[in-house]
Amino acid sequence: GESVGLHLPTLSVQEGDNSIINCAYSNSASDYFIWYKQESGKGPQFIIDIRSNMDKRQGQRVTVLLNKTVKHLSLQIAATQPGDSAVYFCAERAGGGNKLTFGTGTQLKVEL
Amino acid sequence: ETGVTQSPTHLIKTRGQQVTLRCSSQSGHNTVSWYQQALGQGPQFIFQYYREEENGRGNFPPRFSGLQFPNYSSELNVNALELDDSALYLCASSSRDGYGYTFGSGTRLTVV
Repeated sequence: GESVGLHLPTLSVQEGDNSIINCAYSNSASDYFIWYKQESGKGPQFIIDIRSNMDKRQGQRVTVLLNKTVKHLSLQIAATQPGDSAVYFCAERAGGGNKLTFGTGTQLKVEL
Repeated sequence: ETGVTQSPTHLIKTRGQQVTLRCSSQSGHNTVSWYQQALGQGPQFIFQYYREEENGRGNFPPRFSGLQFPNYSSELNVNALELDDSALYLCASSSRDGYGYTFGSGTRLTVV
């Protein structure tokens, strides 16, 4: 079956360092991927997305990399700030599908 | 541009009761999806509505049902509540092609 998983459940970084959050997916039919940030008691907040015809996409302080060969997705956060502390989810959508499949999330902790 | 709004924010129900949760989609979005998020887990797809009809369903029993209205707002109804139904219920709206998935802040349902 299809699944999306994360390698590291918890990631601790120093303020100002770069963070890399990884995600593996198993459905080769997935054509759209989204990274979400979720703070305690809130809904998932869209960070950045990427379509399967791209390898890299950049936003403000964030970059998503997609490696379809090994079915791997990563989120890079530059100059990590205390406000970046949250749970980060990757989500995939299978080609032509109508739902997102989420992994269990990675807790990012930013240490001062 | 208004985002996705959900009501109520918190709710406590007794096992066996019925509950209705409400969602207003983001301006310009005509597709609404509902997700269940258990504590410490990623959101799980319940179903999606487009043009007032169910357009895909996840692995949830029939006691989970929904509606979409002409203004694209939506309701999630859960009958015969069970303790395991305690979770954060998230509504997401998107365009018909499935891009621009935006989540609301969720309704925290506790079944006692």
